[in-house]
This record gives sequence, C-alpha cells and structure tokens, in this order.
Amino acid sequence: AQSVTQPDIHITVSEGASLELRCNYSYGATPYLFWYVQSPGQGLQLLLKYFSGDTLVQGIKGFEAEFKRSQSSFNLRKPSVHWSDAAEYFCAVGTNAGGTSYGKLTFGQGTILTVHP
Amino acid sequence: DADVTQTPRNRITKTGKRIMLECSQTKGHDRMYWYRQDPGLGLRLIYYSFDVKDINKGEISDGYSVSRQAQAKFSLSLESAIPNQTALYFCATSPFGTGNYNEQFFGPGTRLTVL
Repeated sequence: AQSVTQPDIHITVSEGASLELRCNYSYGATPYLFWYVQSPGQGLQLLLKYFSGDTLVQGIKGFEAEFKRSQSSFNLRKPSVHWSDAAEYFCAVGTNAGGTSYGKLTFGQGTILTVHP
Repeated sequence: DADVTQTPRNRITKTGKRIMLECSQTKGHDRMYWYRQDPGLGLRLIYYSFDVKDINKGEISDGYSVSRQAQAKFSLSLESAIPNQTALYFCATSPFGTGNYNEQFFGPGTRLTVL
C-alpha cells in the first residue's frame, strides 16, 4: 500500500522569503503525485500534479514541485511567499493499480504554513 | 455555482443521534468519495463509489454508511454519532477513464461536532 509523509507539521516564513515544503512517498511503481492547498474555511484546491515526463512541474499561484524518484520525494517550492499563501498544504499519492485501488488518493498529514509580514 | 456542494456546512449534534451529510455535484463525474479530516492526520478515506451500483469501504468505514442515490448525489450517514466522529468531512469527485490521473475535486466541507 502507498503512503505519504510530510515531515513538517508547521512552517513559518517571512513574506518575500522562499519556501520549500517536503513530501516523501512510498509506492512500488511510478506514482501519480499531487499538491493541494486548503485555505481557512475552504475546501482543497489542486496546486499541481505529476504523472510522467518532466520532473519539474509548474502549478498555480507561482508554485512548482520536483519529482525525485531516487529520493521518493515531491517537494513543493515557491521563490517568494505572499501573505495570502498562508494555508495548509497536503501532498497526495495516487495509484495506477487496477481494480478497486484505481482512483484512490492517499494524503499526507498536512503542513500548516504561517506567513509573517 | 460551485461544482461540488455539501450540506449542511456546519452541524452540532448529540451522542447517539443519526446524522446524514449530503453531497451533490454538477461536474458529471462518475466517482465520488467521502473523507474526514482531523488535525495532524490529514484526510482519511471513509467510503468511495465508482458508479451508482459500486460502493467500496475506505480505511475508516466503521460507524459510517453511504448511499449513492444518483450519479450526482452521494450521502454519508452516521447511524449513531459518537464524540470521536467530530471532524471536518469532505466530499470529492473524479472523472472515470484513462487519462484522468486520479485528480479529485473537493467540496467546501462539513464541520460536524458531536457532543
């Protein structure tokens, strides 16, 4: 079974600083990887996704993530954080296995981002 | 209008009561999911449905049941609510077929408190 670990429960950065949120996954084959963001009182919004091809993927709101197979990681980055980026971020892994596993996502524990002015 | 809607958005109930949370979608997706979110635990899958006649248990289905009334509607029931079912509940949908790559679309959530 697949699993996802987000090692950082809470990260605080200053506005304008760079950001990296870590995500490590466990899955036997090539995974489908996602980053979602949850703003306070809101549902989850997809930031970006990786399926195949270029290992550096661009998403919305200036975010990017890099898939590193050798490290089983899919870290999320942003060069300059804005106050509106304060939210909780979730990494998720999906499988391409058949049967009833197909279409399921496994989420990490989430990382809460606080942005100081 | 929102593509995935959940009702109610907030609910406070008492231990032992039966509660139903409803989810509707206008995205035309075949697959629907129910998750609960607890602080520090992320989202955990309760039940999922790949079409009207297909219902599957997720990792934490005990104490919950679901009904897929139509392609667009998927309800979650707590037959006898208990305090540790206090959580934020999300409904999600995804399309069927090759190339969808499991992307899911989420509703705004229902905050349930069981006293």
